[in-house]
Amino acid sequence: QQKVQQSPESLIVPEGAMTSLNCTFSDSASQYFAWYRQHSGKAPKALMSIFSNGEKEEGRFTIHLNKASLHFSLHIRDSQPSDSALYLCAVSIHSGTYQRFGTGTKLQVVP
Amino acid sequence: ETAVFQTPNYHVTQVGNEVSFNCKQTLGHDTMYWYKQDSKKLLKIMFSYNNKQLIVNETVPRRFSPQSSDKAHLNLRIKSVEPEDSAVYLCASSFKSSGNTLYFGEGSRLIVV
Repeated sequence: QQKVQQSPESLIVPEGAMTSLNCTFSDSASQYFAWYRQHSGKAPKALMSIFSNGEKEEGRFTIHLNKASLHFSLHIRDSQPSDSALYLCAVSIHSGTYQRFGTGTKLQVVP
Repeated sequence: ETAVFQTPNYHVTQVGNEVSFNCKQTLGHDTMYWYKQDSKKLLKIMFSYNNKQLIVNETVPRRFSPQSSDKAHLNLRIKSVEPEDSAVYLCASSFKSSGNTLYFGEGSRLIVV
């Protein structure tokens, strides 16, 4: 069964810093990789997703995938207090199947 | 803007009672899901429905059963709740064929006393 792990478990960064979140997965057949953000008491909301090796940038957020290393990451440039939330990575074997979620990273951005 | 609606938001009940959670999506998606989020915030897939057909059924206890009347609705019934069922139940929807972006509802928190 696919295992999806995240690190670190929690993180405190100063406003304006670069934040890096990590996700590892166990099934090399995985084809879809995504990050979600969940503010306290709210629904998880999709941030970014990627299918193939490499990088993808959207605004302050960059996702990086290395399938050979079974690893992908999310980088947040110029972190803001509003970025404080639980970050969840998700993996699926192929499009149309359910996603397995990681263990989560709780991010706090302090002014 | 919320397009996946869940009711109730919050429910407290006693061990052994039956509870139901309702979910409706207005996005026109063809696949809906139920996830369970435990006290450690871990999200686990429970069920997935595509065009009224169950396509994923993880090893959840038999007291849980999904119910769907059409592709816009997916309800969750728990026949006889146990203390370990206390959690937030999140409904989500997506298009099966065009990527996997999940759209979640705000969740239904269940407390079993």
